[in-house]
Amino acid sequence: DTAVSQTPKYLVTQMGNDKSIKCEQNLGHDTMYWYKQDSKKFLKIMFSYNNKELIINETVPNRFSPKSPDKAHLNLHINSLELGDSAVYFCASAMGSQYTEAFFGQGTRLTVV
Amino acid sequence: KQEVTQIPAALSVPEGENLVLNCSFTDSAIYNLQWFRQDPGKGLTSLLLIQSSQREQTSGRLNASLDKSSGRSTLYIAASQPGDSATYLCAVYGQAGTALIFGKGTTLSVSS
Repeated sequence: DTAVSQTPKYLVTQMGNDKSIKCEQNLGHDTMYWYKQDSKKFLKIMFSYNNKELIINETVPNRFSPKSPDKAHLNLHINSLELGDSAVYFCASAMGSQYTEAFFGQGTRLTVV
Repeated sequence: KQEVTQIPAALSVPEGENLVLNCSFTDSAIYNLQWFRQDPGKGLTSLLLIQSSQREQTSGRLNASLDKSSGRSTLYIAASQPGDSATYLCAVYGQAGTALIFGKGTTLSVSS
């Protein structure tokens, strides 16, 4: 049973399109995150939700909009995709306390052509 | 602003060697530190979590230490194996309501 699962694993799309990435966790965690790993493999936080409430919203273009329908799901919708959006996007989850271990999904490799 | 640095960026060792990966962070006010492993094209696998009140954690051949006052952590891998080849990432959790801040990783290659 996969703890944090993302779909799709690969996404190839044209510039200007709108796409969504879905994330689900079955760990009973109340905090979920989206991270972006750039071409240099550096991981950077984008968003964080705690109990469906947006906690962190880093400097990310407003073309990116997270949505959390419930504590177990955090989706990422991207409008008007640009070449620079090509990256690997990781979903993660943890219990709300800062003392707990974070678990990551397998990533979604987005390629914008 | 918290920054995490990992040295070296890459490391190649023969099988069987013991090795140490280094991680440093600029703000010692952290709640925990987590080490991850990332295989090419894969997600992150959590290896060890050290809470701020702890000095070290062990899991099998892995031992991670934490010195908050000096802003340093080390990951010790004993008797390395080719299967240990991966990128190792260090991340710290700082202020409450924030998220893990990552270093750029150390890419380890263990040759047989």
